[in-house]
Amino acid sequence: AQTVTQSQPEMSVQEAETVTLSCTYDTSENNYYLFWYKQPPSRQMILVIRQEAYKQQNATENRFSVNFQKAAKSFSLKISDSQLGDTAMYFCACQGSNNYGQNFVFGPGTRLSVLP
Amino acid sequence: DGGITQSPKYLFRKEGQNVTLSCEQNLNHDAMYWYRQDPGQGLRLIYYSQIVNDFQKGDIAEGYSVSREKKESFPLTVTSAQKNPTAFYLCASSGVVGFRNGYTFGSGTRLTVV
Repeated sequence: AQTVTQSQPEMSVQEAETVTLSCTYDTSENNYYLFWYKQPPSRQMILVIRQEAYKQQNATENRFSVNFQKAAKSFSLKISDSQLGDTAMYFCACQGSNNYGQNFVFGPGTRLSVLP
Repeated sequence: DGGITQSPKYLFRKEGQNVTLSCEQNLNHDAMYWYRQDPGQGLRLIYYSQIVNDFQKGDIAEGYSVSREKKESFPLTVTSAQKNPTAFYLCASSGVVGFRNGYTFGSGTRLTVV
């Protein structure tokens, strides 16, 4: 089973600046997948970015990038050029490579506010 | 466009009543999931189903029931045995082959006990 920790319950950033959200995880599996999901006020869960643990290269999606430190079991999300529409809850998640369902674990979330 | 439809968006339940939340997907995904989200908290798994006519309990299955008679549909019933049902409920799906691409979520149902 996996565990996911997000140590920052709330964060704020000025529009156009950069912010980093932290996530640490623990898993006993050799291969696994990591995700960041965004939940805006509409409550719709949106996949932001994913990382396969066996790939050393950090994933990037436009203004969103991750810093994946496998040995430290750290998976932080960097948002560049923050926009008002980035205001949302952000959830880090970890999924084992086998037997999905209970093997997909979410962290408690970080509430990000982008200030004008 | 393919996606997941949850209905209703808002639901009110009286004490002692059973209510059913609908979840339909047209993504041809094999697996479907139900999560509960309480204010300020993450998602907790209620039930999941990997194939039709099969489902498994998640971490907080007590007071809930599900069925999976069709690939497209995975309704959740909140029974009177669930003592604190007021929450936001999210349905999700994933493909057997593509599940490593993460889950697709519906827009959720907010259930309130009155």
